[in-house]
Amino acid sequence: DIQLTQSPSFLSASVGDRVTITCRASQGISSYLAWYQQKPGKAPELLIYTASTLQSGVSSRFSGSGSGTEFTLTISGLQPEDFATYFCQQLNGYPLTFGGGTKVEIK
Amino acid sequence: QLQLQESGPGLVKPSETLSLTCAVSGGSVSSSTYFWGWVRQPPGKGLEWIGSIYFSGSTYYNPSLKSRVTISRDTSKNHFSLKLNSVTAADTAVYYCVRLRNLFTGDCWGQGTLVTVSS
Repeated sequence: DIQLTQSPSFLSASVGDRVTITCRASQGISSYLAWYQQKPGKAPELLIYTASTLQSGVSSRFSGSGSGTEFTLTISGLQPEDFATYFCQQLNGYPLTFGGGTKVEIK
Repeated sequence: QLQLQESGPGLVKPSETLSLTCAVSGGSVSSSTYFWGWVRQPPGKGLEWIGSIYFSGSTYYNPSLKSRVTISRDTSKNHFSLKLNSVTAADTAVYYCVRLRNLFTGDCWGQGTLVTVSS
């Protein structure tokens, strides 16, 4: 199974900040990675797939990069509605696996 | 617009079978473009993929749950279902149904349903 390790697991930031979250895969997965946002009590929502492709309707504040084993999600100009937990997911194949999550809270 | 809605008992006794259904509206479980899956999330924890089912009826399961899981679909009712047997407290979680598209991307999720395993 492909293990995904996210860092940090918790992040405190202010509105307007630029935030970067990292996801490392236990083996190379090319660009086969997605990012989701989850707000309390809600289902995850797809933000980015194939490492850097923005899902339709998602703000351009969100961007993704990386390939192989290291990936990043960047939020440029953090907005109040961005305070949430973010998960990465590998798209390389079964069994599908997720990172442990990064909670972004207001400083 | 696609909508997924989970339904089923919110409380299951240990050793019994957890059964959930996901009703699909605005789309078809018979579509060859997409496939369908279940993901769970224990309270305060991360996401765990349970399994997926394709338009052909083929299924793929998480090896950690494979011996206890069955995912099926009913095309006449346009829904798909999850059965997890021999449950324990460790199976307590919010269960989500999800539509998956090419490259295993979950682009539409149900609202989730909390299932508690307790006597």
